[in-house]
Order: sequence, then C-alpha cells, then structure tokens
Amino acid sequence: NAGVTQTPKFQVLKTGQSMTLQCAQDMNHEYMSWYRQDPGMGLRLIHYSVGAGITDQGEVPNGYNVSRSTTEDFPLRLLSAAPSQTSVYFCASSYGLGGVQNTEAFFGQGTRLTVV
Amino acid sequence: AQKVTQAQTEISVVEKEDVTLDCVYETRDTTYYLFWYKQPPSGELVFLIRRNSFDEQNEISGRYSWNFQKSTSSFNFTITASQVVDSAVYFCALTWGYSTLTFGKGTMLLVSP
Repeated sequence: NAGVTQTPKFQVLKTGQSMTLQCAQDMNHEYMSWYRQDPGMGLRLIHYSVGAGITDQGEVPNGYNVSRSTTEDFPLRLLSAAPSQTSVYFCASSYGLGGVQNTEAFFGQGTRLTVV
Repeated sequence: AQKVTQAQTEISVVEKEDVTLDCVYETRDTTYYLFWYKQPPSGELVFLIRRNSFDEQNEISGRYSWNFQKSTSSFNFTITASQVVDSAVYFCALTWGYSTLTFGKGTMLLVSP
C-alpha cells in the first residue's frame, strides 16, 4: 500500500538550477495537488490537476511548472530555483473532496528543498 | 474569497488538561467541506476528520471532539485529557472547488508531562 510517494525526500539546489520533484499515487485518484509549507504560513496551493491532461494554477504558481500525462504521476518542475523557493513541498491526491463519499486528501511524506 | 483563520499560533498545556483549537472560516460556497489534519514532529500530514456544511452535529472520537457552528463559521477541535503524543501542529482546512484545500496557518500544540 504505497499511497502517495514523493521523491526525493531532501534536496539542496544552487540558485538558478532546475529540478523536478516527483509525485506518484497508486490509488487511481483523479485529483492531485502540490502545496508548499513555510514556517507560519500553513500549506499554500501551487498547482493542481483534476485529471490527466488538465492542470491549473493555485495560490502561488510563479516559478513552478506542472504537467499530468498519466493518472498516476504529477511532477512539479522548478524552472530556475531561487532562495525564496526553499520550503517543504507536499503532493496530495484524492477522489475529490466533496460529495457523498467520505473522502480525504492523502499526502506524501514531503520533500524538503533548500536553495542556496 | 476563501479564508481559514487559526488565531492561536501556539498553545502550551500540561498533560491531562483539556485544550480547544479554534478554526474560523470564510467562504461564499453554500456547500463545502471542512477538515482537520495533524502534523506530528516527524512531518507527515495525518487526516483527522471531514465534515460537510449540512451536518452540524458535533462529533466525538475517543479523546477528540469537534464542534461545527455554521452560524459563527467555526469548526473547533477539542482534545480531552491531552497527552504528550498529542504534541503536533494542527491544521484546519476548507475545500476549494472540491479538488483542493485552503489551509489555515496551523496551531502548534505543546503538551508537557
């Protein structure tokens, strides 16, 4: 029962470098999201997807890119890393958070990213 | 605009005390869902409860209870007889379009022996 798997768990980048944070889920969930967590700020939505081929921006999308070619995977790309992107990143997936079905958002373990 | 406010940044209690974590929300949606998540020091996010806007019954699960009051837009969380293992950051969250969540800034609960 893997659930939501994020890799890597830790990463240090130099300013200007690019990288991709990986997120995969094995629950056949349509909905996937990326959040960043900063001290005192809670979790803020970066990008989300309601199905393969469909993505949209959240609250803090600048500097990040996403695509959803399969139901299982939702990678987050940092195009040119900046110190302001130092954060903990969480990927989440769900069947959808409304409706009769008592669903929840399942979260990965998080990726701690430091940009120097 | 959506907003979730957790006014208590940090709460410290001694073991066996009862503690209430406040959550106030704003939304224009008539149907919405509220969640509480726990984030222990290990960092993962643990789902605690989901409540829909049509169900104002209070809920109790062991030492945990939740009070949802639509009239005051509040969804407060009470831990009875707190334990050291309850030490964590607790997040209240509100659905945004049924596909994502708007989170509060979290309340750090410290339970000392």
